[in-house]
Amino acid sequence: DAKTTQPNSMESNEEEPVHLPCNHSTISGTDYIHWYRQLPSQGPEYVIHGLTSNVNNRMASLAIAEDRKSSTLILHRATLRDAAVYYCIRLPSNTGKLIFGQGTTLQVKP
Amino acid sequence: DTEVTQTPKHLVMGMTNKKSLKCEQHMGHRAMYWYKQKAKKPPELMFVYSYEKLSINESVPSRFSPECPNSSLLNLHLHALQPEDSALYLCASSLRGLAGGLETQYFGPGTRLLVL
Repeated sequence: DAKTTQPNSMESNEEEPVHLPCNHSTISGTDYIHWYRQLPSQGPEYVIHGLTSNVNNRMASLAIAEDRKSSTLILHRATLRDAAVYYCIRLPSNTGKLIFGQGTTLQVKP
Repeated sequence: DTEVTQTPKHLVMGMTNKKSLKCEQHMGHRAMYWYKQKAKKPPELMFVYSYEKLSINESVPSRFSPECPNSSLLNLHLHALQPEDSALYLCASSLRGLAGGLETQYFGPGTRLLVL
């Protein structure tokens, strides 16, 4: 999706926090922000989603800017198993259509 | 059981062949999806079924023909494919589909297709 931009790749050290940014400057007011990740040789898996407020779950946190033009996925303590492609996704309400960004490949170093 | 299964895992076919991809889920989900993913690219939506009815077709060529025989099963029939159709084909399901931004989609591992 040309409207959603992510860095191509990022590196992190094991046990350290990781902040994965996403710009969605033209997001509609009713579009949800979802994050999925895709481990090697697997299908994407859900990580977290939000609309306006910051969100936490057992996997990660999602910080959404007040103007909703950007968001950040936060992995609090990266592990080697977190190495994957992380997709920032717009999900327009009432469509069921995941509109994927290009993804950020996260490398985690031991 | 939160699993979406896809068969076969790998498929090689010629341009004149007819083959089918199969996807199954037993989570009681009523929406099912087909995505195409080329190497190092994000998945692209192809079709959405909601309550066994085709609700979204993203202008996919007719050589791809989806079928949803029941709420647990989704097929993708392939005929007269081109080499550029070689890709990973992913199936996903969600509770209802078209229900707003709250639904999680559960993906299968995909079928890796090579068209010769």
